[in-house]
Amino acid sequence: GQQVMQIPQYQHVQEGEDFTTYCNSSTTLSNIQWYKQRPGGHPVFLIQLVKSGEVKKQKRLTFQFGEAKKNSSLHITATQTTDVGTYFCAAPDDKIIFGKGTRLHILP
Amino acid sequence: DTGVSQNPRHKITKRGQNVTFRCDPISEHNRLYWYRQTLGQGPEFLTYFQNEAQLEKSRLLSDRFSAERPKGSFSTLEIQRTEQGDSAMYLCASTRGFNQPQHFGDGTRLSIL
Repeated sequence: GQQVMQIPQYQHVQEGEDFTTYCNSSTTLSNIQWYKQRPGGHPVFLIQLVKSGEVKKQKRLTFQFGEAKKNSSLHITATQTTDVGTYFCAAPDDKIIFGKGTRLHILP
Repeated sequence: DTGVSQNPRHKITKRGQNVTFRCDPISEHNRLYWYRQTLGQGPEFLTYFQNEAQLEKSRLLSDRFSAERPKGSFSTLEIQRTEQGDSAMYLCASTRGFNQPQHFGDGTRLSIL
């Protein structure tokens, strides 16, 4: 079945440093979604990428979809304490397959 | 948009007991999904409904698990003869349709004694 792999599993950064998480699929994806889950919270939708090579920005967050539509990345510039949480990519199909997520810790 | 509502928030029960969870989706959303999430893992798909029809069920879901969505509104997830391994957060999400963003509820945390 379809799977999405995320790396790294954990990331500790100093506040103000950049952060990137990567999502890879063995199959071509029709689109990809990104979610953020704060500690103790539920996943919250961030964005959906559909087109090959698409790049979207939300303030300090930059999302990319690979040319082959098999990988995606989320980059956060100048991290803040509010960025703490786990970031999941998800491959929509009839059901949605979530990656295991990248847990981001911010060191003050 | 009042969001997705799940009840109860927490459930503690003894092994072997039956439990039932409820999910009320966003009213105009016709798709409803159930997931299970354990510590350090992403949400694991269990089953989903389009309106009242249950369209897919994970192979990981044993026959102790059953879900319903009568009238295409709220949904219930029942676990019979609970086991230790059933301890997890059970999340419900709803969407407007295929390939649309998922809106999650706060989940029901199940603890099996």
